[in-house]
Amino acid sequence: AQSVTQLGSHVSVSEGALVLLRCNYSSSVPPYLFWYVQYPNQGLQLLLKYTSAATLVKGINGFEAEFKKSETSFHLTKPSAHMSDAAEYFCAVTAGGEKLTFGTGTRLTIIP
Amino acid sequence: GAGVSQTPSNKVTEKGKYVELRCDPISGHTALYWYRQSLGQGPEFLIYFQGTGAADDSGLPNDRFFAVRPEGSVSTLKIQRTERGDSAVYLCASSLRVAGYYNEQFFGPGTRLTVL
Repeated sequence: AQSVTQLGSHVSVSEGALVLLRCNYSSSVPPYLFWYVQYPNQGLQLLLKYTSAATLVKGINGFEAEFKKSETSFHLTKPSAHMSDAAEYFCAVTAGGEKLTFGTGTRLTIIP
Repeated sequence: GAGVSQTPSNKVTEKGKYVELRCDPISGHTALYWYRQSLGQGPEFLIYFQGTGAADDSGLPNDRFFAVRPEGSVSTLKIQRTERGDSAVYLCASSLRVAGYYNEQFFGPGTRLTVL
């Protein structure tokens, strides 16, 4: 079985500041890990994914995440926040590429 | 090309009524998934179809929930005797299932179900 824990249901950062959203996972087998973004009244959009290749994964909109097996973490970062980054972010895990198990989400607010 | 579409976008019903939610996957995608997202929560897996058959329905909460995909394309999620606790956004996703590879799931905008 897999599970995901997202620390911090709400995160606020100033425009231009570093964004750090935390995700820790639990998996009995080597996992595939994902970050999704959800804008109001829209579906989930894949930001980036880790599928056992490079541990540092670059995604869309300047986001990246690093898979750290020793820490069972897959934190999402962006060097400089933009107002358009305000959204809900979900970390997800799967073992066999079928059903995704999501965290409870982190709402990111950007302060002008 | 068109993405995953879901209809209706909003559905309001009364407790005890029957509802059907429709999902049109991306053309050619053989795998289709249903998830449920309650307020303040992440999406939770309900059921996964590979072609016409339900390959994994372990997430369906009880026997009031049922889903079909008779021709391997469009899917309908059916909820009988709705309860207020069924209120949520129901998300559909599809993927091009290729064995041995991770297949990205593309999500639709969801159907917001409100049970009064």
